Amino acid sequence: EPEVTQTPSHQVTQMGQEVILRCVPISNHLYFYWYRQILGQKVEFLVSFYNNEISEKSEIFDDQFSVERPDGSNFTLKIRSTKLEDSAMYFCASSLFMERSEAFFGQGTRLTVV
Amino acid sequence: GESVGLHLPTLSVQEGDNSIINCAYSNSASDYFIWYKQESGKGPQFIIDIRSNMDKRQGQRVTVLLNKTVKHLSLQIAATQPGDSAVYFCAENSSYGKLTFGQGTILTVHP
Repeated sequence: EPEVTQTPSHQVTQMGQEVILRCVPISNHLYFYWYRQILGQKVEFLVSFYNNEISEKSEIFDDQFSVERPDGSNFTLKIRSTKLEDSAMYFCASSLFMERSEAFFGQGTRLTVV
Repeated sequence: GESVGLHLPTLSVQEGDNSIINCAYSNSASDYFIWYKQESGKGPQFIIDIRSNMDKRQGQRVTVLLNKTVKHLSLQIAATQPGDSAVYFCAENSSYGKLTFGQGTILTVHP
């Protein structure tokens, strides 16, 4: 069964450092997303991406965040200067269609900012 | 603004019982809803979805009910098993595929 894969599974970084979280969406999917989940809280939308452009982003997704699809398979989330409050699980997801379409989630990357 | 929330944060059942997890949403324009299951340390896993032109949808051991009048969604799990223990989220699919998740209900199944 096709799946979304994320690397690394756990990333520890110092405050102020840049991190890049990587994702390989399902190969025939066209829509890509990043979500985050702070420990014990609900999953929150960060950004959606289609046709090499951001479709929508949340208030969380400020200038410190960026996304990129550098090639035909990878989808990355970059945080330029991490803050303690960026510590969370980050989930990548992909879907075949934009609306009324099941989104498949990866296993997540646990980001710990120290 | 939009919000999707859950009535009960925790639910404990005995193995073999039926479980019902509830969810309220506030955006009356929502037209597509999904239930996800999240096990510890894993990403959300799709369980079942329903469109707003339906009241009920059944899967294998799971049923989702949608009441648009009161903006309420429920997930019924038949013959609950220990492997069903997880956090269950309802989510609304809105603009550009964005999912708005509820707070989650922790389901614990006792053998």
